[in-house]
Amino acid sequence: GAGVSQSPSNKVTEKGKDVELRCDPISGHTALYWYRQRLGQGLEFLIYFQGNSAPDKSGLPSDRFSAERTGESVSTLTIQRTQQEDSAVYLCASSYPWTGAYGYTFGSGTRLTVV
Amino acid sequence: AQTVTQSQPEMSVQEAETVTLSCTYDTSESNYYLFWYKQPPSRQMILVIRQEAYKQQNATENRFSVNFQKAAKSFSLKISDSQLGDTAMYFCAFMKQLAGANSKLTFGKGITLSVRP
Repeated sequence: GAGVSQSPSNKVTEKGKDVELRCDPISGHTALYWYRQRLGQGLEFLIYFQGNSAPDKSGLPSDRFSAERTGESVSTLTIQRTQQEDSAVYLCASSYPWTGAYGYTFGSGTRLTVV
Repeated sequence: AQTVTQSQPEMSVQEAETVTLSCTYDTSESNYYLFWYKQPPSRQMILVIRQEAYKQQNATENRFSVNFQKAAKSFSLKISDSQLGDTAMYFCAFMKQLAGANSKLTFGKGITLSVRP
């Protein structure tokens, strides 16, 4: 597609429920990143995928968070047993390999609200 | 670990005036990249300008320029001839220069810039 597409745009869920967030990167962009943006804060790195290499999961805050990517396409971020502190905007970004230093393309994010 | 500090939470500027947004960072790396990203209400992060640490010359992109002081670990953004469309949150970000492809960013907390008509 023309840009990085994220769905849903907004999600309200009850505490304790599982949620799945989707990211569809730009075609040909093998590098994919997930970031979390809490209210009034900067973005925090969560996870990085590059092609078929092992992902860098060093930013995942707990074992309730997991992410998958099918080949070089869609990625899903799953949060199990959601807590109120998980409320945030979750942003996905993608780039061609080795070009992240030139800046990557972000999606518009999913705003997650846990009530 | 790297840290990025944006100490001003909000700024306001009159349309057509010039405004400077401050950013400092801390790192033990000698080679890295610095960025300013803009986040309008649409939430999509937009790259404004980037600077390579090994370059002494300050980066410029049209009305946007930076003042990069490597020794002081300072990276401020100057917006000239401010326009209403510049109203947004602005984030300063740091990226290590790595041999591998992982280009993760460390962000500051951001600054809300309002341009007054």
